[in-house]
Amino acid sequence: RKEVEQDPGPFNVPEGATVAFNCTYSNSASQSFFWYRQDCRKEPKLLMSVYSSGNEDGRFTAQLNRASQYISLLIRDSKLSDSATYLCVVNMDRGNTPLVFGKGTRLSVIA
Amino acid sequence: EAGVTQSPTHLIKTRGQQVTLRCSPISGHTSVYWYQQALGLGLQFLLWYDEGEERNRGNFPPRFSGRQFPNYSSELNVNALELEDSALYLCASSLRYTEAFFGQGTRLTVV
Repeated sequence: RKEVEQDPGPFNVPEGATVAFNCTYSNSASQSFFWYRQDCRKEPKLLMSVYSSGNEDGRFTAQLNRASQYISLLIRDSKLSDSATYLCVVNMDRGNTPLVFGKGTRLSVIA
Repeated sequence: EAGVTQSPTHLIKTRGQQVTLRCSPISGHTSVYWYQQALGLGLQFLLWYDEGEERNRGNFPPRFSGRQFPNYSSELNVNALELEDSALYLCASSLRYTEAFFGQGTRLTVV
């Protein structure tokens, strides 16, 4: 099983739609979780940290399920500008294990 | 506050040459990560430095090496360049075990 797995997509959705991405991780000792957004040929940018209780930032909601070892990202009222690749990132918070990135899920929001 | 800066932004090298890429982290950050991203692919972990020491390295040959300086800036060296080394090289910095912030990357083309 890969350390961090994401559905590669692409997810093609119309403007205004709600879309959800899931990400599973293999190491139950993982402590910190993040979602990044990467536009084509640009660097990844931090979108949200994911907290145990779940957190919301405007149209974006992140959830963590430790028992099932997955995190999710929900985007409501999709905008054309949301088109990007969304990367799930997991951190062990100890030892010499670096941040682990998923391969990303590509989202295309269509007018 | 300045973000992560990388230099150069673009580089063209000939097969067999050597290259050095540079990264300056956000002030106060002690960890520096290096990633390789070939066109259309996900991030491949290269190296992680923290407090001047190499903490982990990815599955890359020894001709990929680097170091971190006392001021926490970092260099990535690639010897004996091959065509498949053409990629975007991304540096990210963080406090240990927290979210990472990326530089704009160095786009390396090997011809």
